[in-house]
Amino acid sequence: GQQLNQSPQSMFIQEGEDVSMNCTSSSIFNTWLWYKQDPGEGPVLLIALYKAGELTSNGRLTAQFGITRKDSFLNISASIPSDVGIYFCAGLSGGSNYKLTFGKGTLLTVNP
Amino acid sequence: DSGVTQTPKHLITATGQRVTLRCSPRSGDLSVYWYQQSLDQGLQFLIQYYNGEERAKGNILERFSAQQFPDLHSELNLSSLELGDSALYFCASSVDGLASSEQFFGPGTRLTVL
Repeated sequence: GQQLNQSPQSMFIQEGEDVSMNCTSSSIFNTWLWYKQDPGEGPVLLIALYKAGELTSNGRLTAQFGITRKDSFLNISASIPSDVGIYFCAGLSGGSNYKLTFGKGTLLTVNP
Repeated sequence: DSGVTQTPKHLITATGQRVTLRCSPRSGDLSVYWYQQSLDQGLQFLIQYYNGEERAKGNILERFSAQQFPDLHSELNLSSLELGDSALYFCASSVDGLASSEQFFGPGTRLTVL
């Protein structure tokens, strides 16, 4: 089945630093999504990307849908303590058989 | 608060047992999704319902079943439980079930099988 390789698995950074994480796949996706999950909560959608090459920002977050449609990255600029959490990429295949495939997640720790 | 509610929050049971997890979607949302999150498998899509009908199936075991009721709440039934079924189970809802529609996740039910 489809698999998403998300890296890095974890990151420890200082407040104020920029962060970058990415996902790659052997399969093509029509949509890339980035979620954040806080402890004890469900994932919350951060950014959705619908077109190859699309670059989208949401505040300090920027994400891009790779040209090959097999990869995506998420950047967080000027990190703050509340950025702590697990970040997931997810890819959505097209067609009638809906299937959202998630990466394993990147655990982000921000030291104040 | 996403507006999606799930009960119970925690569930501890024994192998071989059967449990039912409940989800109420956001007001106005017609589609419900179920996901399983475990340390080794990550987040996996199980099944989707739209307005009472099954819309899509993911990696759902035959021991698991779900349904969506006329009032749009959904239940996930897990039977003949095994140790490996211990996981967080999330429900999400979206307004129309289209792939492009944002899904809103509930807080999850943590299932522990002893």
